[in-house]
Amino acid sequence: EPEVTQTPSHQVTQMGQEVILRCVPISNHLYFYWYRQILGQKVEFLVSFYNNEISEKSEIFDDQFSVERPDGSNFTLKIRSTKLEDSAMYFCASSELAGSETQYFGPGTRLLVL
Amino acid sequence: AQSVSQHNHHVILSEAASLELGCNYSYGGTVNLFWYVQYPGQHLQLLLKYFSGDPLVKGIKGFEAEFIKSKFSFNLRKPSVQWSDTAEYFCAVTPRNAGNMLTFGGGTRLMVKP
Repeated sequence: EPEVTQTPSHQVTQMGQEVILRCVPISNHLYFYWYRQILGQKVEFLVSFYNNEISEKSEIFDDQFSVERPDGSNFTLKIRSTKLEDSAMYFCASSELAGSETQYFGPGTRLLVL
Repeated sequence: AQSVSQHNHHVILSEAASLELGCNYSYGGTVNLFWYVQYPGQHLQLLLKYFSGDPLVKGIKGFEAEFIKSKFSFNLRKPSVQWSDTAEYFCAVTPRNAGNMLTFGGGTRLMVKP
């Protein structure tokens, strides 16, 4: 069964550094998403992406965040200058059709900012 | 904006006990409803979903959920739990035909004692 994959599984970085989290969505899916879960808190929506542009974003997704589909398979989340409060589990998801369809999640990247 | 509440944060049951996990949402329009499960060390997986039609939906592994529109609820049930059901369960909603954002509840950690 096709799965969403994410790399790395864990990332430790220093405050102020840039990080790039990578995701490979399911191959025939057209909609891509990033969510995050700070330890002990709810899973929160960050951004959705379709047809090479952001279709929706939350208040969390400020100027330090960006997303890109650099090639036909990868979908990346970049955090330009990490802060301590960016420490969280970041989940990528994809869906085949429009946003209300089922989203399939990757295993997550645990980001720790020191 | 929509919100989701899961009232039980931790549930401990013995094998063969019946399970009901509460989920209530708040949103002024029509929603699609989901239950996701996260087994220890694994990623979020779809358990079941409701888009329209019969408000009693059946999912994988013997789970079912009932959408009660008047109560804004989508409770998850299983008549007889197994040790392998130990996991965290997340209720989520997305507005129908109005964006991509999944809004999650806080999750319920279920522990099933053998």
